Amino acid sequence: DAGVIQSPRHEVTEMGQEVTLRCKPISGHDYLFWYRQTMMRGLELLIYFNNNVPIDDSGMPEDRFSAKMPNASFSTLKIQPSEPRDSAVYFCASRQMNSGNTIYFGEGSWLTVV
Amino acid sequence: AQKVTQAQTEISVVEKEDVTLDCVYETRDTTYYLFWYKQPPSGELVFLIRRNSFDEQNEISGRYSWNFQKSTSSFNFTITASQVVDSAVYFCALSETSGGSNYKLTFGKGTLLTVNP
Repeated sequence: DAGVIQSPRHEVTEMGQEVTLRCKPISGHDYLFWYRQTMMRGLELLIYFNNNVPIDDSGMPEDRFSAKMPNASFSTLKIQPSEPRDSAVYFCASRQMNSGNTIYFGEGSWLTVV
Repeated sequence: AQKVTQAQTEISVVEKEDVTLDCVYETRDTTYYLFWYKQPPSGELVFLIRRNSFDEQNEISGRYSWNFQKSTSSFNFTITASQVVDSAVYFCALSETSGGSNYKLTFGKGTLLTVNP
């Protein structure tokens, strides 16, 4: 089975530009998570969805960040406008109900804002 | 609040040595899950193992073994006869099952393991 698929793998953008990261979860998984990894803060949960509905977005740093899940097989994380401090690796992950809370990660989207 | 501490920031060993990565956790839940993930230099996060709080049996998978001790709130990971391919950052994580933290994985800061030939 295919794993979690993220795109783009790498993105370099200028400050002020809009960035959209995309994720396709594992088929059949009910939960989708967006994590951010930085040297300073480690891995932190930004938001998660259950059955396409956002459940907890308390980790979203500010209004410049937004996430959507229009259907069970697609989610986006958007940053507008982007700032250099948004540079990080953004991971999408998914899990299935009754899987003992095990989540499976995509390969990450490496974002650099210059 | 849940918390995971990996006190070892970096470990360096020579190939074929055994190495243990420490993980200490804090939780008020009686039911929870513990995890180890591996992040090789290529960057992806790879799931290695999950234990639930009711199962304290140690587990062995090839060269990997895990020691879960509730009495000390520890979930340590040992690699026997380490290999260069084991070089990676290893993360310990905790997931509670109740309240607002349900389904959320809290990660430790990670331990960078370097295995030298």
